[in-house]
Amino acid sequence: QSALTQPASVSESPGQSITISCTGTSSDVGSYNLVSWYQQHPGKAPKLMIYEVSKRPSGVSNRFSGSKSGNTASLTISGLQAEDEADYYCCSYVGSSTVVFGGGTKLTVL
Amino acid sequence: QVQLVQSGAEVKKPGASVKVSCKASGYTFSRYSMHWVRQAPGQGLEWMGIINPSGGSTSYAQKFQGRVTMTRDTSTSTVYMVLISLRSEDTAVYYCARGEMATMNQFDYWGQGTLVTVSS
Repeated sequence: QSALTQPASVSESPGQSITISCTGTSSDVGSYNLVSWYQQHPGKAPKLMIYEVSKRPSGVSNRFSGSKSGNTASLTISGLQAEDEADYYCCSYVGSSTVVFGGGTKLTVL
Repeated sequence: QVQLVQSGAEVKKPGASVKVSCKASGYTFSRYSMHWVRQAPGQGLEWMGIINPSGGSTSYAQKFQGRVTMTRDTSTSTVYMVLISLRSEDTAVYYCARGEMATMNQFDYWGQGTLVTVSS
């Protein structure tokens, strides 16, 4: 199972919005509404930000939102803050009780 | 509160095996799956497999089949991950992560990570 495709890096200014894409295939992202997103700061464990494409866990800011169209899922962060600077990973169910992550995107808040 | 506490760092020689533990507390152990995810230095996250603590069933990523075994001890709410035939490319931080049974990839709590270094 190949990793999902994410841009290696993105950057934007504080207060702006940014969208990170996650492209899979009709066998993974396109087949299941089971895409999640994780934020990881250096040296820390990942943190769940979005699950089931667009649901936010309790405690996660509503500045984070998720969506999906076809084989591509997206994470949008609005009102960018310095603390949002981190690595972001998407994750999709791919069937047969297996899961795959994206390659990760480094977000820089300029 | 939910906690996943992993065993300490390991240094292994190529060809050896490693066993990493993950002790869960603060929730009903059998109601959530447990996944193992690794991260090589400077690299991304890589899913390794899942164990259902209730019955002990497992599913492994194709890449690790034949080299990884996940088990659990319900009496101590602990899951274990054994990786054999270690090579330098297995040097990574290994995480356990709690998952929702129904959604498979909703990892809401993570262990602190265990660094495994493979070096001659």
